[in-house]
This record gives sequence, structure tokens and C-alpha cells, in this order.
Amino acid sequence: DAGITQSPRHKVTETGTPVTLRCHQTENHRYMYWYRQDPGHGLRLIHYSYGVKDTDKGEVSDGYSVSRSKTEDFLLTLESATSSQTSVYFCAISGNPPTGANYGYTFGSGTRLTVV
Amino acid sequence: DQQVKQNSPSLSVQEGRISILNCDYTNSMFDYFLWYKKYPAEGPTFLISISSIKDKNEDGRFTVFLNKSAKHLSLHIVPSQPGDSAVYFCAASEEGSQGNLIFGKGTKLSVKP
Repeated sequence: DAGITQSPRHKVTETGTPVTLRCHQTENHRYMYWYRQDPGHGLRLIHYSYGVKDTDKGEVSDGYSVSRSKTEDFLLTLESATSSQTSVYFCAISGNPPTGANYGYTFGSGTRLTVV
Repeated sequence: DQQVKQNSPSLSVQEGRISILNCDYTNSMFDYFLWYKKYPAEGPTFLISISSIKDKNEDGRFTVFLNKSAKHLSLHIVPSQPGDSAVYFCAASEEGSQGNLIFGKGTKLSVKP
């Protein structure tokens, strides 16, 4: 397979609790991304990383933090989960920015998070 | 404001016919465009891409057309097959944006046998 795994695949948590989602890659790719997918909104970028300890905010970063202490792992943390963060979360990896016809992300299978 | 727009939430096509999925964008700095396909309970998978210096890219049954003056791109699938039934996302990238992709909301394609 593509060498990207997300864990857990499903999680139900209570409002106000912290939650951490993990993305693990075996491709040694430099770039890693967290997106959320919601009906009527498509895929929206939360945070991304362009190297170990190098991260930046995306379009919908409020309420989320990330960490990347090693190349293969990118963690997404909801410090205090809210019902509006109920969503499907996708991690993606990429080599260098587009330099040719094969540019594109490889996505994980997603984590379905429900905040009750 | 949405920079990448897919105005048709759904499309139904008969098997063997052509499927045309449309995408509009507002940012003239976008220099790379991609289409992704997504099945339920799976992550999106890369389908085809096109650089802004081209107006067409073809890969088997899939062709993407880019009209820069109209800020419009389209994905043609010929002939359509039932296995093509999925949600299709249009995405765009701006040069110097660390490769960040901006996605549209998606179009759900149903190909009927």
C-alpha cells in the first residue's frame, strides 16, 4: 500500500476532552497534511508540516494543534473537543512541491471522529 | 470565499456515455490543478493533473481540460463505467504555497448500468 496509516479509524469522545489523532508514514515524505471532510464543505486544510518541527496553519486551524517530532509521524490534537469538530479527518503525504506530472497527495483512509 | 468551486453536487450518467465534471476557480495564481476520486469509507486517490501551461492532459479514459481565461477546468470520462461512481474533487495549488491544495466541495458521480 501507499505507506500511510491513520489511527484510530473511529473514535467517539465527549465534549471538552482532549483527543489526539495519529498519522504515520513509511514513505519518508517531507510534507504531511491534516484535512477534515464535512458535508457541503469538501476537504479543508487544518494544519500542515514541511519538515520535522516545521508546521503551519491551514484554513480551519482554530481549536487544533499539531506536532511533528520525527519524519514519519504527524499528530493532530483537539485540546478540548467540541461538537463542531465531529468530522472525518484525513492525513495526506507528499514529496516535494509540484515539479512534474505526478504531483499529488497520498491520503490515508481517514479517522471518523464523533464528539458527543 | 471559495477559491475552488464545484457547482454540481451530483451527476448521473448512463454506462458507456461521457461524464463531464466541472470546476471553476477564482485565484489566478493557481498553477497546478488536480482531480481526486473518493469512494465511501476510503481516502481520496489521485486521478489526473494538469499544469497551467497546458490546456489538456489525457490518461486513458480520463481527460482534463483547462481554460485559463475562463478560470475553468473539466474532467471528461469516456466511456463511463459503474466503477467510476464516486465523489470527485477538484483541487488547485498556488506556486510557492508549500504544495498546499485547495479543494472544491466535490461532485458525486453515479454511473448507471
